[in-house]
Amino acid sequence: EDKVVQSPLSLVVHEGDTVTLNCSYEVTNFRSLLWYKQEKKAPTFLFMLTSSGIEKKSGRLSSILDKKELFSILNITATQTGDSAIYLCAVDLDDSGGGADGLTFGKGTHLIIQP
Amino acid sequence: KAGVTQTPRYLIKTRGQQVTLSCSPISGHRSVSWYQQTPGQGLQFLFEYFSETQRNKGNFPGRFSGRQFSNSRSEMNVSTLELGDSALYLCASSRGQGLTDTQYFGPGTRLTVL
Repeated sequence: EDKVVQSPLSLVVHEGDTVTLNCSYEVTNFRSLLWYKQEKKAPTFLFMLTSSGIEKKSGRLSSILDKKELFSILNITATQTGDSAIYLCAVDLDDSGGGADGLTFGKGTHLIIQP
Repeated sequence: KAGVTQTPRYLIKTRGQQVTLSCSPISGHRSVSWYQQTPGQGLQFLFEYFSETQRNKGNFPGRFSGRQFSNSRSEMNVSTLELGDSALYLCASSRGQGLTDTQYFGPGTRLTVL
């Protein structure tokens, strides 16, 4: 069964700290990995990663994928209270393998930034 | 540009009933995907439509179905509701085909089954 595991499940840090969120996966037909930030209701897209070793960066957020070890990390530097959210990792599956296709999500990391 | 809209925002139904949720994508977007979010299972993919055709489907029973109209608006139907169907149902639209295109989510429909 395809599986996406995120760790830690929750994390509380102080403003200004740097955090690293982890996402590991066991899937049969990997196509890409995506990160989302969810505040209140609808998730917002952060990054899509398809190739190993290439860092994606957007402001204080960055992410990298390791297809050999089957994991990705999301880094947030100089955290702010507005970074408090649930961060979701999802893996897009290639349906040619015959299993369920589409996105498989992890349970998320609940990040709380204290002032 | 208006974002993704979903109607209704809140819905209360009883077991055995059926429900239809609606999603209007961002203008110009042709792909609509549906997700179910529950506290226990997290965010789960239901299906994706592109140009009125279902392109991808997650692991949900046949009670969950959907369709897309020529104007890219999409509806999702759940028949014979069960208590476990209580969830936030999110719709997302994207410009092209494929779930890896940047998806823009709507606010969701909160369904409560009593």
